[in-house]
Amino acid sequence: AQSVTQLDSQVPVFEEAPVELRCNYSSSVSVYLFWYVQYPNQGLQLLLKYLSGSTLVKGINGFEAEFNKSQTSFHLRKPSVHISDTAEYFCAVSSYTGGFKTIFGAGTRLFVKA
Amino acid sequence: GAVVSQHPSWVICKSGTSVKIECRSLDFQATTMFWYRQFPKQSLMLMATSNEGSKATYEQGVEKDKFLINHASLTLSTLTVTSAHPEDSSFYICSALPSTVYNEQFFGPGTRLTVL
Repeated sequence: AQSVTQLDSQVPVFEEAPVELRCNYSSSVSVYLFWYVQYPNQGLQLLLKYLSGSTLVKGINGFEAEFNKSQTSFHLRKPSVHISDTAEYFCAVSSYTGGFKTIFGAGTRLFVKA
Repeated sequence: GAVVSQHPSWVICKSGTSVKIECRSLDFQATTMFWYRQFPKQSLMLMATSNEGSKATYEQGVEKDKFLINHASLTLSTLTVTSAHPEDSSFYICSALPSTVYNEQFFGPGTRLTVL
């Protein structure tokens, strides 16, 4: 069975500090990996994705993530956060297991403090 | 490109009534669409997978007679919450898997359902 674990439910960080949001997954088949951001009362916005190729992927708003197959991880990083980055972040793993299916992590609340 | 819309964006209804939510892929065809539910401060949970022209596949624990899904065309899927109750109040999000893309789905903006 496929699963996604976001290791931190909340991450407080000061403005302009670096941040890493952790995501680990388990799957017996090849996966596609995504990070989404959700602001209050809004839908999902895609930050970045890994489908194939280079394991370091860059996304919008200065975010990047690295796919580590041996550690089954896809951690999200940003070198310097802004107040406006305060939001809920979801890691998602898609694969073909009897059809295309996506599992979401529980989410990490990033809270950027002034 | 790859835009998905949902209508309505929010709806309030009385307990016992039915509510229909539409999900449209605006600039691509989607053989497969998905419906998710998100309770406050929780993650998205897949409710069902909708395939054009066939019956939807529901996840374990989701009542198919309560959450009716119809995917009559390659650009439209509908979710009808029948005999809604306050515990059905949630944020419902659809997504669409383009027929020409096999590894990425595109999400709608969501529909906020409040049942009084």
